[in-house]
Amino acid sequence: EVQLVESGGGLVQPGGSLRLSCSASGFTFSGDSMNWVRQAPGKGLEWVSSIGGGGDYIFYADSLKGRFTISRDNAKNSLYLQVSSLRAEDTAVYYCARLRKYGNHWGLDVWGQGTTVTVSS
Amino acid sequence: DIQMTQSPSSLSASVGDRVTITCRASQGISNYLAWYQQKPGEVPKLLLYAASTLQSGVPSRFSGSGSGTDFTLTINSLQPEDVATYYCQKYNSAPLTFGGGTKVEIK
Repeated sequence: EVQLVESGGGLVQPGGSLRLSCSASGFTFSGDSMNWVRQAPGKGLEWVSSIGGGGDYIFYADSLKGRFTISRDNAKNSLYLQVSSLRAEDTAVYYCARLRKYGNHWGLDVWGQGTTVTVSS
Repeated sequence: DIQMTQSPSSLSASVGDRVTITCRASQGISNYLAWYQQKPGEVPKLLLYAASTLQSGVPSRFSGSGSGTDFTLTINSLQPEDVATYYCQKYNSAPLTFGGGTKVEIK
């Protein structure tokens, strides 16, 4: 069974940092681009970052550049998101998702259950 | 960056109705568009990619169309289990921006 399981969320003070993790199973992890998507309470989906299967490319949402760092360890089938200088508006559920390639097209076809980050003093 | 605008932000329709949701890109994106469904309390689910290709396992009452800047998601014969928020997402290039979402309820 294809599965993604996030961890590492929690309550953090403004200005603090966290490292979110996503453990993958049931597929060839190194073959797929992986993404982070977040959702603030009661709000819509916000794409955060993408990383290629071999780490060959990395993209970020413009508003998050410099504070968030995506990485992966294919030997451990794991995806990471280092989040720093956290602000109240970063409070959200953070999902990891697989970006599956369909010919020349793509879709986020597998999602984890999410890990919650709450930024508050 | 290209912005994605969905309309309406919410709608209420009766079981059996045909429902249409619109997604507009601020610049042309060819057909590099996906649609997702997020039911209350659940994670998002991929419905369509390439603007009109149904993901495996998705009921055929869902369909998509469009190219360039204007896209639609249609639910033919709305069912109670279709209550959800629907999002479009562009993927022609980064950033992979989502639309703001359309909440679909049963009247």
